[in-house]
Amino acid sequence: GAVVSQHPSRVICKSGTSVKIECRSLDFQATTMFWYRQFPKQSLMLMATSNEGSKATYEQGVEKDKFLINHASLTLSTLTVTSAHPEDSSFYICSARNGQGTYGYTFGSGTRLTVV
Amino acid sequence: AQTVTQSQPEMSVQEAETVTLSCTYDTSESDYYLFWYKQPPSRQMILVIRQEAYKQQNATENRFSVNFQKAAKSFSLKISDSQLGDAAMYFCAFHQGAQKLVFGQGTRLTINP
Repeated sequence: GAVVSQHPSRVICKSGTSVKIECRSLDFQATTMFWYRQFPKQSLMLMATSNEGSKATYEQGVEKDKFLINHASLTLSTLTVTSAHPEDSSFYICSARNGQGTYGYTFGSGTRLTVV
Repeated sequence: AQTVTQSQPEMSVQEAETVTLSCTYDTSESDYYLFWYKQPPSRQMILVIRQEAYKQQNATENRFSVNFQKAAKSFSLKISDSQLGDAAMYFCAFHQGAQKLVFGQGTRLTINP
């Protein structure tokens, strides 16, 4: 079945540094990937839609200069949290349309970011 | 804009019993897709079941089935013979056309042994 690999699963970084999270589709091509943020005991909040070869589309209220998204190939999208601060600490999840049937989605296993 | 509402923040059920999770949504479209996702403590999102709005027949996947009421815009999930491994957060989600997947607030399901 379709698999999306997300790395790292956990990362701790110092305030002011940048962190890159990778999302790879392992056995299918993903022209569109999605990045979500999830706070404890809350639902997934869509941050941006990543399209291969073009600029990402950010949701209202998401700082595009802080959350840089690159989708340079059909199997890889990256989210870079720039100049991270403690309030950026959260759980980040990527997703891709897997082409299995209509509107099938596959999710990565998520990344827990802690900024200290 | 489409919205998805899950009115039950928490539910609990005895092992082997049946539980129903509620979901309502709001849309003016007639062609769309509805999903139930499970998020266990590992936080991996797992697709439980999917329903196409144009299909009148309710989707079923083993112990999981839905009651899709299109006119009422209701999409409930029934879990039969509940097992300890069913304990998780359950999210109802809506998708239409080229738009984004919209999630409900989630329902935390506890299975009592």
